[in-house]
Amino acid sequence: DAGVIQSPRHEVTEMGQEVTLRCKPISGHNSLFWYRQTMMRGLELLIYFNNNVPIDDSGMPEDRFSAKMPNASFSTLKIQPSEPRDSAVYFCASSLDLAENTGELFFGEGSRLTVL
Amino acid sequence: AQSVTQLGSHVSVSEGALVLLRCNYSSSVPPYLFWYVQYPNQGLQLLLKYTSAATLVKGINGFEAEFKKSETSFHLTKPSAHMSDAAEYFCAVRTGDDKIIFGKGTRLHILP
Repeated sequence: DAGVIQSPRHEVTEMGQEVTLRCKPISGHNSLFWYRQTMMRGLELLIYFNNNVPIDDSGMPEDRFSAKMPNASFSTLKIQPSEPRDSAVYFCASSLDLAENTGELFFGEGSRLTVL
Repeated sequence: AQSVTQLGSHVSVSEGALVLLRCNYSSSVPPYLFWYVQYPNQGLQLLLKYTSAATLVKGINGFEAEFKKSETSFHLTKPSAHMSDAAEYFCAVRTGDDKIIFGKGTRLHILP
């Protein structure tokens, strides 16, 4: 069975450009999480969805960040406009259903974003 | 609010020596606790989890962790370190509102 698939794996862009990161969760998983990893701040939860509905976006740093989950098999995280401080590795993770199990997360390999 | 604290951002042990990575949690509800491992340029993968069953939890690759409520701890151990254990290890807690919150991570270095 395929794991969580993220694209692109690497993205280099210039400040001010729009960035879109994509995630395909494991089939049958109802919960999806977006995390950001930096050396300074570690792993930060940005937003998570349950059954395609955003449950908590309190970790989204500011209005430049937005996330959508139009269906059970696809989610995007968009940054517009991007800034150098957004440089990080962005992880998507999925889970069966947090409310009904222990909440084990399955992570993608991450998207490394560099904003120049 | 629930949180986890990992003591030591870097830990070095000799090959064959005991590995001990420390994690303390705070939780107002019975916690679900996890240890994840991250190898370079990869996502995190689950090592083991505590879900209020046995207090001593065994995971993959010879790791285990003991839940101690009185100490609010969930330390990760392995009797004998191997070079392949070099990685970053994260302790995590499931919060009352179903988030998974991670500690800052501990990078484990194995000395030959």
